[in-house]
Amino acid sequence: GQQVMQIPQYQHVQEGEDFTTYCNSSTTLSNIQWYKQRPGGHPVFLIQLVKSGEVKKQKRLTFQFGEAKKNSSLHITATQTTDVGTYFCAVLTGGGNKLTFGTGTQLKVEL
Amino acid sequence: NAGVTQTPKFQVLKTGQSMTLQCAQDMNHNSMYWYRQDPGMGLRLIYYSASEGTTDKGEVPNGYNVSRLNKREFSLRLESAAPSQTSVYFCASSDRWAGDHEQFFGPGTRLTVL
Repeated sequence: GQQVMQIPQYQHVQEGEDFTTYCNSSTTLSNIQWYKQRPGGHPVFLIQLVKSGEVKKQKRLTFQFGEAKKNSSLHITATQTTDVGTYFCAVLTGGGNKLTFGTGTQLKVEL
Repeated sequence: NAGVTQTPKFQVLKTGQSMTLQCAQDMNHNSMYWYRQDPGMGLRLIYYSASEGTTDKGEVPNGYNVSRLNKREFSLRLESAAPSQTSVYFCASSDRWAGDHEQFFGPGTRLTVL
């Protein structure tokens, strides 16, 4: 089945530093979604990308879909303590019926 | 709207015991899902129901059964719990024909099997 590798697994940053997580696939993806899970919480949808080279922004968050549609990234500018959590990429499979999740990147932000 | 609700929030079982995790959504979504989340493993799909009346296996279905009771409710049953089933279980729902096909998750059930 469709597999996506996510790196890094963990990232510690000082507040105000930037953060990037990457999602890679060996096959071409039709789409990619990003979710955030706060500690002790449940995943919450952030965004979906479907077009080659697509870039979307949400305040300090920038999401990119690679030109070949085999990779994606999430970049956070000037991290804040509210950014703490685990960020997952996910791909729609099974004819759009189900999601396959990456293993996630856990972000910790220190003051 | 409550979104996706799950009961119970916490459960401790002994090996061999059975239990049913309940999930309900009030967003009129067609599709519902059960995931388990283990440290460092991300979310793995156990079973899903693309529409009322259908269920399909996901990545890790062994040891579980599901019932799509109606459009709102999707339950997960452990017939004979094992320590390997200690995990956090999330239910989710989505409408694949609307919006970005995003999934909405419940708060989770934290299950420990001794």
